[in-house]
Amino acid sequence: QQQVKQSPQSLIVQKGGISIINCAYENTAFDYFPWYQQFPGKGPALLIAIRPDVSEKKEGRFTISFNKSAKQFSLHIMDSQPGDSATYFCAASKATGTASKLTFGTGTRLQVTL
Amino acid sequence: NAGVTQTPKFQVLKTGQSMTLQCAQDMNHNSMYWYRQDPGMGLRLIYYSASEGTTDKGEVPNGYNVSRLNKREFSLRLESAAPSQTSVYFCASKDIWNTEAFFGQGTRLTVV
Repeated sequence: QQQVKQSPQSLIVQKGGISIINCAYENTAFDYFPWYQQFPGKGPALLIAIRPDVSEKKEGRFTISFNKSAKQFSLHIMDSQPGDSATYFCAASKATGTASKLTFGTGTRLQVTL
Repeated sequence: NAGVTQTPKFQVLKTGQSMTLQCAQDMNHNSMYWYRQDPGMGLRLIYYSASEGTTDKGEVPNGYNVSRLNKREFSLRLESAAPSQTSVYFCASKDIWNTEAFFGQGTRLTVV
């Protein structure tokens, strides 16, 4: 049972373009939605996160858009750079508490070309 | 500040052999997690420990056991390795009151 569905599986974007990755979740108890970035040979690292009380969060070139009624959220990378080439995972969880654990999407491999 | 440290980084096992993956964190986090990463399947939770002295099954616990040795250390044991356990294993930790999970560098395990 996949509780967080992510698309596309892979994405190629030209330098300077916009990268968009989409996720959908099923469990309405989720109240924390992070995106993790993973470079080859490394562990995932938190990139940006959002709670469902806001519809958008922006940090530099990275923006999360959140649609609570549709149970969907997306990551937008503006002015994509070759250094952004990595695998991106969306995730969801209950934010805090002893039972807090992340459920991940299947990942999107982003390649930014020159 | 090392964060989350996993050992070993690489391991090749023969089918039926056993091994223990070690994980230690130095951030005084209460909760620790073991995930496996497989192509096209994302990261799937194997076991987790919400706090010292407790462990619980995740999404894919079969074939694994865990030990929360103390607040810092959380180990994952494969009693009888199978080729289906070929994967990259990640340990993570977080505080109960903080939302960010910190991951180790991973252990790449191959079972032949």
